[in-house]
Amino acid sequence: IQMTQSPSTLSASIGDRVTITCRASQSINRWLAWYQQRPGRAPKVLIFEASSLESGVPSRFSGSGSGTEFTLTISSLQADDFATYYCQQYNTYSGWSFGQGTKVEIK
Amino acid sequence: QVQLQESGPGLVKPSETLSLTCSVSGGSINDYYWTWIRQAPGKGLEWIGYISDSGSATYNPSLKSRVTISIDTSNNHFSLSLTSVTAADTAVYYCARSLLGWFSDLWGQGTLVTVSS
Repeated sequence: IQMTQSPSTLSASIGDRVTITCRASQSINRWLAWYQQRPGRAPKVLIFEASSLESGVPSRFSGSGSGTEFTLTISSLQADDFATYYCQQYNTYSGWSFGQGTKVEIK
Repeated sequence: QVQLQESGPGLVKPSETLSLTCSVSGGSINDYYWTWIRQAPGKGLEWIGYISDSGSATYNPSLKSRVTISIDTSNNHFSLSLTSVTAADTAVYYCARSLLGWFSDLWGQGTLVTVSS
């Protein structure tokens, strides 16, 4: 299953509402996770099952979607949120696949 | 709290075998799936494969012919073997925990493996 994220890069300011899209090449129901990766660090899961917030993740992060189209929204961008974001599908017993990533930069 | 730590050589010669171990501390290796993911310099994440606590493994089809993941529940660690490496296998290799093989909720810090003569 191919995962395609858009945009690849996003420039935004503190306080902005930010939306990242992830599309799957076939239906994955709601079996999608979102990760945040800061430079030099391991990824951290933010959202699983498309819209469930991982424990300890700020409520400004939210996820939605099902089937083939998903979104990650940051309601009010904070300094800590400048990072790269990846979607990951886990629909099939044949394994996982990641999107290519979306880098959120300071405008 | 549970922590994961990758270990193994940081430099591997082309055509040789890359071998890494992930040690799980602070908790049991049972009841989870255990995953290897890599990231080439400046690139995105690539799933390598995962293994259940019972030893059932699933691999990325693009790497399947070269990859073996094994688990040692007695010693709380799991391992990655990647044969016939080339420069394209140079990457930071992460081990991670997964509930039911769904997504990774806990990651090691990652270890850089460079393939070079």
